[in-house]
Amino acid sequence: AQSVSQHNHHVILSEAASLELGCNYSYGGTVNLFWYVQYPGQHLQLLLKYFSGDPLVKGIKGFEAEFIKSKFSFNLRKPSVQWSDTAEYFCAVKTGGYNKLIFGAGTRLAVHP
Amino acid sequence: GAVVSQHPSRVICKSGTSVKIECRSLDFQATTMFWYRQFPKQSLMLMATSNEGSKATYEQGVEKDKFLINHASLTLSTLTVTSAHPEDSSFYICSALDSPEQYFGPGTRLTVT
Repeated sequence: AQSVSQHNHHVILSEAASLELGCNYSYGGTVNLFWYVQYPGQHLQLLLKYFSGDPLVKGIKGFEAEFIKSKFSFNLRKPSVQWSDTAEYFCAVKTGGYNKLIFGAGTRLAVHP
Repeated sequence: GAVVSQHPSRVICKSGTSVKIECRSLDFQATTMFWYRQFPKQSLMLMATSNEGSKATYEQGVEKDKFLINHASLTLSTLTVTSAHPEDSSFYICSALDSPEQYFGPGTRLTVT
């Protein structure tokens, strides 16, 4: 069965630090990849997505992610985090032409001023 | 972007009663909607895929007689938790497919006493 692994469950950073959140998936075929963010008390929002083409994807709020097919990875990065980036981040995968999303366990990010 | 609403946002019910949660796509039509359940500090688990005009497709382990899904129109899907028990207390989130993306509702916090 397909699965998504997020290795960091809880990350604590100071403002201006760089961020990288890991995401690996298990599926050998075509995938669509997503990163969602859930701010405290708010609903899930799409940060960025990869469908095809350039494996380096830029999203909103300065986030980017790189799809490395050989590593089955889609890590999320931001060069300099802000306090307002405090949230929970979910990696998700859509496989094989199906519409349903498979989510990772999520990473809770806390940014201290 | 597309907007999905859920009602109610929060509900408390007594054990043994039934609760209905509504999911609406406000500015687009969605033939497919999804229902997720999110436990505290955990990821979203897909419960079922709701298809307008046909029966929902339930994920393995989800009781279809307990979690009744109706998708009677292109903008509305409902989830009814029948004979609710305290273990059904959770955060229920819906999403609507505006292909190729899913848009998420704000969630419904269900507490069964």
